[in-house]
Amino acid sequence: QQPVQSPQAVILREGEDAVINCSSSKALYSVHWYRQKHGEAPVFLMILLKGGEQKGHEKISASFNEKKQQSSLYLTASQLSYSGTYFCGTEDRNNNDMRFGAGTRLTVKP
Amino acid sequence: GAGVSQSPSNKVTEKGKDVELRCDPISGHTALYWYRQSLGQGLEFLIYFQGNSAPDKSGLPSDRFSAERTGGSVSTLTIQRTQQEDSAVYLCASSANRGMGQFFGPGTRLTVL
Repeated sequence: QQPVQSPQAVILREGEDAVINCSSSKALYSVHWYRQKHGEAPVFLMILLKGGEQKGHEKISASFNEKKQQSSLYLTASQLSYSGTYFCGTEDRNNNDMRFGAGTRLTVKP
Repeated sequence: GAGVSQSPSNKVTEKGKDVELRCDPISGHTALYWYRQSLGQGLEFLIYFQGNSAPDKSGLPSDRFSAERTGGSVSTLTIQRTQQEDSAVYLCASSANRGMGQFFGPGTRLTVL
């Protein structure tokens, strides 16, 4: 039931790009992306509801392939402030719950 | 406007005692979620409310856990006969409706001695 995220961890230099993937075994209603910094609560980044939908937030964007039940988060020209753990969350069509992946720890170094 | 608030921020209790955790969602948000996060781990779904009703209680770890929401607003998560494995940060989130972004409270850090 829990979506699978990959990779588990990424280390980048400032200005580099990264992709974080999220896949589910269930037909999805929505995919959410959140970022959590150490000792803080998760912060909502974006939600994708339709297959093929792409959304952007600053230099962070995401896509949703409904057929493959996958979503990807794209971070371009990374900044130090992007460091944190990124979680995808999925709502499936049949259940009233919200399941999160195990998270991807992103570290951006100067 | 005000964000999601939770109280207490920290709770230390002895094994076997009952605890109540409170969540005040953003005004007007109909959907409310409870999660548990152990140190360095991901978010474990506990329960979801739409209005005052909880259509899905499957995430509650055991019958020692219960939750209610009154007036479509404040929610309380109760843990009876606490165990050491209940120690975690309990996070509450609300959203305008299902299928919309969730806004998290600061969490309650529960320590069971």
